[in-house]
Amino acid sequence: DAKTTQPPSMDCAEGRAANLPCNHSTISGNEYVYWYRQIHSQGPQYIIHGLKNNETNEMASLIITEDRKSSTLILPHATLRDTAVYYCIVRSSGTYKYIFGTGTRLKVLA
Amino acid sequence: DVKVTQSSRYLVKRTGEKVFLECVQDMDHENMFWYRQDPGLGLRLIYFSYDVKMKEKGDIPEGYSVSREKKERFSLILESASTNQTSMYLCASTRPWDTEAFFGQGTRLTVV
Repeated sequence: DAKTTQPPSMDCAEGRAANLPCNHSTISGNEYVYWYRQIHSQGPQYIIHGLKNNETNEMASLIITEDRKSSTLILPHATLRDTAVYYCIVRSSGTYKYIFGTGTRLKVLA
Repeated sequence: DVKVTQSSRYLVKRTGEKVFLECVQDMDHENMFWYRQDPGLGLRLIYFSYDVKMKEKGDIPEGYSVSREKKERFSLILESASTNQTSMYLCASTRPWDTEAFFGQGTRLTVV
C-alpha cells in the first residue's frame, strides 16, 4: 500500500473553505484515495473517495492531481463541527486493509 | 441505521489479566478489523478477518489474538494484559472491497 503524507495540523476560519492536502507520490494505478475524519471521542467516519477524477458529495470535494501523486480534500464552508482529525488513505481495490497514518488535525476557529 | 457496537467504552484491567474486547456489527459485513490508536501514531491495524473463522495479522499483532465464530462478532483477546496495551481500540467492518468502512465508538482500555 502506498504511504501518504499530511501536515500534522491546520487552522481554518469558520465559514471559509478548508483545503486539506495529501501527498501520495508512490500511489499505483489501482489504488484509490480515501478520506476519513475522526471527531474527538468517536470512531473514524468515511467522507469521500476517488480514483482519478474529481469527486463531490454532500460533505466535501476531492481534487486529485492529474499525475495522482497528491490530492486535496475541500470542505467548502467549514463549521465548528468540522474540527476533527482528517485521514488520507490510499487503498487498492483488491485489498481488505485500510492503512491509516497520523492525519491532519483541523481546527475550525470561530 | 447501520451500526458497529463495541461492548465497552471504558475498561480498566490489571496487568496479567485476560481481556476480551467484543465487537458486533448488524450489516452482514464479511470483513472486520481491530485497530489501536495511540497519540502520535495514528490508527494501527492489529488483526482483520475476511470471513467466519478466518483471520490475518495486521501490522502489530504481538500480544493479541482474535476470534470470529459468527459473522457478526469479532473479538479481540489480550491473553495477558500489559501496561503497554493501554490504548484506544477501534473495531470496523466492511463488505469485500467496499468503499466505506464503518467504525465503532471505540474502547478506551487502561491496564494498571
